[in-house]
Amino acid sequence: DAGITQSPRHKVTETGTPVTLRCHQTENHRYMYWYRQDPGHGLRLIHYSYGVKDTDKGEVSDGYSVSRSKTEDFLLTLESATSSQTSVYFCATRGPTEAFFGQGTRLTVV
Amino acid sequence: RKEVEQDPGPFNVPEGATVAFNCTYSNSASQSFFWYRQDCRKEPKLLMSVYSSGNEDGRFTAQLNRASQYISLLIRDSKLSDSATYLCVVNSNDYKLSFGAGTTVTVRA
Repeated sequence: DAGITQSPRHKVTETGTPVTLRCHQTENHRYMYWYRQDPGHGLRLIHYSYGVKDTDKGEVSDGYSVSRSKTEDFLLTLESATSSQTSVYFCATRGPTEAFFGQGTRLTVV
Repeated sequence: RKEVEQDPGPFNVPEGATVAFNCTYSNSASQSFFWYRQDCRKEPKLLMSVYSSGNEDGRFTAQLNRASQYISLLIRDSKLSDSATYLCVVNSNDYKLSFGAGTTVTVRA
């Protein structure tokens, strides 16, 4: 398995608080992604990165920001969490032939 | 219109049966195609890539039809362990992977 770890794995937070999710990879992959997965929607791209300090928005980026200061780390921040951001968040990296996923973070905003 | 659309199922089949389902994509410039498998509450994992000429991996056969913009997955001799959600994934450019919402397959004894 590819070396992708997400932290935390589970989190409950209150509406209006900032939350940061971390993705760490040991594969030295250039491309990294944050997706959210909700019933009926599949995986939707939030933000992606194509190199250190190079990031861009995906299809559901409102309310989220990202940072990538090192190749191995890609952070996703919910600036002010809302109940609609309750979801399972997956980080992924892109290798030469396939994408690899972290184990996911289950976030609940109450 | 979604970039990738799948029949959500569920497909409920007995052990040993054959099950097949499709996925359609909207971007005719898409370059690469994949089937991923996702077990309940787990991360997606690559099942197989889909090549232009079609390809097999054991009991799994994938086909690509560029003219009609769909890919298919066929599972022969279904096993209980094949129960999962199958995600269609399309790569439309160098970086972007678009996912279908998934097709749920349940294999019963």
